[in-house]
Formats: sequence, structure tokens, C-alpha cells
Amino acid sequence: SAVISQKPSRDICQRGTSLTIQCQVDSQVTMMFWYRQQPGQSLTLIATANQGSEATYESGFVIDKFPISRPNLTFSTLTVSNMSPEDSSIYLCSVGEAGAGGYTFGSGTRLTVV
Amino acid sequence: AQSVTQPDIHITVSEGASLELRCNYSYGATPYLFWYVQSPGQGLQLLLKYFSGDTLVQGIKGFEAEFKRSQSSFNLRKPSVHWSDAAEYFCAVGSWNSGNTPLVFGKGTRLSVIA
Repeated sequence: SAVISQKPSRDICQRGTSLTIQCQVDSQVTMMFWYRQQPGQSLTLIATANQGSEATYESGFVIDKFPISRPNLTFSTLTVSNMSPEDSSIYLCSVGEAGAGGYTFGSGTRLTVV
Repeated sequence: AQSVTQPDIHITVSEGASLELRCNYSYGATPYLFWYVQSPGQGLQLLLKYFSGDTLVQGIKGFEAEFKRSQSSFNLRKPSVHWSDAAEYFCAVGSWNSGNTPLVFGKGTRLSVIA
């Protein structure tokens, strides 16, 4: 299965600032998926990132707030822009592999906005 | 659109008792089903997964799940719960061709274990 390195693992940020989260995969993958897990909640898909094209955002998420970069087949970034305390969550990236490989998740970024 | 329903938000069981966590899914193709566990402050841990074959699948930590296509269900079971099983459990559905399809998660079931 793929291995994902996600950083930072946690951060405390001031409101109004931005944070960029990085995910590096040890193999080439077509799609990368970004999720948000708000406190006490389940994982919600933010967007799907395909290399060479703009990310596809789920309802309730917009590019201006969560810009995504996908410069190549092994790397992606998610930026949380103009943060407010409501953005305090765990953010995770994920990749899927056809067949028995299933899905792999990064270790998550625990973001606290103060 | 695919969806996952976990009808029980919170379940409390006694240590040593049996456990069943319910999961129903809606998926337009053959589903690839997963159960994850998340302890407080920890990341997701895969318990088991199912795509085809024997409909009773064994996972880690003594958990098993049974796929019932007629009921669109994939319930998680454990014959004897330990205090360390207290955690949040998520059922999820995806695609065997998972390179292009994200996992969709249920809202989770919080398991409490009492002595």
C-alpha cells in the first residue's frame, strides 16, 4: 500500500492567517482526496485533487477558502485561508489504490485557530 | 450518490458483553466496505474491509463484519468487548477502482464500555 507523509502534524494559528498542509505519497497516484474532521464529527470530503486540473470541491467548500495544489502525481497541498476558530479541525489527505490496496490516509493535521 | 448510515450515535456495553454496530450503505455499484476505529486524539485505524468472497470477514482486535447484500448492511461484531475497545467507529464505502473514488464515511458510532 502507498505511504503518505503529511505535515505539519499539528499547528496553532491566529485567526485571519492561512496554513498550508502538505501530503507526499511514495508512489504516483491519479487522485488525492482531502478530508476535514471537525471535533466529535466524522470525516467530510473537502475536495478531490487531480494532477493537471483544478480540484473538484464538495458542496459547502470553496476554492477561495481551501485552495488546493497538485503539481505532480505524488504531492498535494491544501491551504486553509483566512482562518477562524470554526476551522479548528483535523485535516487528512488520502489516496485510493485499485484492488486490494484500498485506501491510505495521512496521519492528519490537527489545526487549532485562536 | 453513495451514502453510509450508522443509526446508533452512541452505544454503551458492559465489558465482556457482545457488540454489534450497525452500518447500512447506498452505493450504485459493487461496494468496497470498510470499518475504521478512532481512539480519542488518535488517527484512523483500519479494522477490516470487504469487497468480495466470504461475506463474513475477520479483522484485527477480534472484530468481524458480515456483508448482507439484500439488506445493504455491513454490521460490525465482537463477541466479547474489552475496555480498550471504547472508541469511535466509522463505517465507510468506496470503490474497488478506488484510485478515482473517495471513501464516504458514516457519521460514526461512539462506543463506551462499562465495568
